[in-house]
Amino acid sequence: KNEVEQSPQNLTAQEGEFITINCSYSVGISALHWLQQHPGGGIVSLFMLSSGKKKHGRLIATINIQEKHSSLHITASHPRDSAVYICAVTPAYNTDKLIFGTGTRLQVFP
Amino acid sequence: GAVVSQHPSRVICKSGTSVKIECRSLDFQATTMFWYRQFPKQSLMLMATSNEGSKATYEQGVEKDKFLINHASLTLSTLTVTSAHPEDSSFYICSASQQLNNSPLHFGNGTRLTVT
Repeated sequence: KNEVEQSPQNLTAQEGEFITINCSYSVGISALHWLQQHPGGGIVSLFMLSSGKKKHGRLIATINIQEKHSSLHITASHPRDSAVYICAVTPAYNTDKLIFGTGTRLQVFP
Repeated sequence: GAVVSQHPSRVICKSGTSVKIECRSLDFQATTMFWYRQFPKQSLMLMATSNEGSKATYEQGVEKDKFLINHASLTLSTLTVTSAHPEDSSFYICSASQQLNNSPLHFGNGTRLTVT
């Protein structure tokens, strides 16, 4: 079993829909990251979380440390949100390491 | 915000040749840089951790003589794929950090290598 699991693997939505991507992990963590990988391959860091909730524009990330679970929400989705969203954790046992989820491929149709 | 520049973005080379990929941190000093490889529709796989002024730390299964990493300054790390084979064709991406557990992650735009 992977230490970081994401669901769903693939997601399609109509423009304007509210989207949720989930991430569960099995190790104690120092931080959790949400990343966005564009079709061309470039990766952008969206959020770094160690507790609570963060919001940036239409994106919201939450984390529940006790349940070892994080969610990424996209409100009023747009075709330009189409990308692969990756959850990654910095494990507490090795803060020089990153453990990646397998990603969620999102396609938003107009 | 912090920017990491990776070059080239695409490269095609013949089998047996070597290819150098550069990763530069443009507005901060990166004490640590990470090199990843990504196969189609798969997650990032860490190849090695590069620390300025010292030898890179390679992950298990990654050949250090094939994937040469040099981190000569606080703003530049290079990955050289030596004697490239078609199976080395992949997407390579770097990230740079000042202090991983307290800083956001900064990634280059990646290099798509095709070996013919």
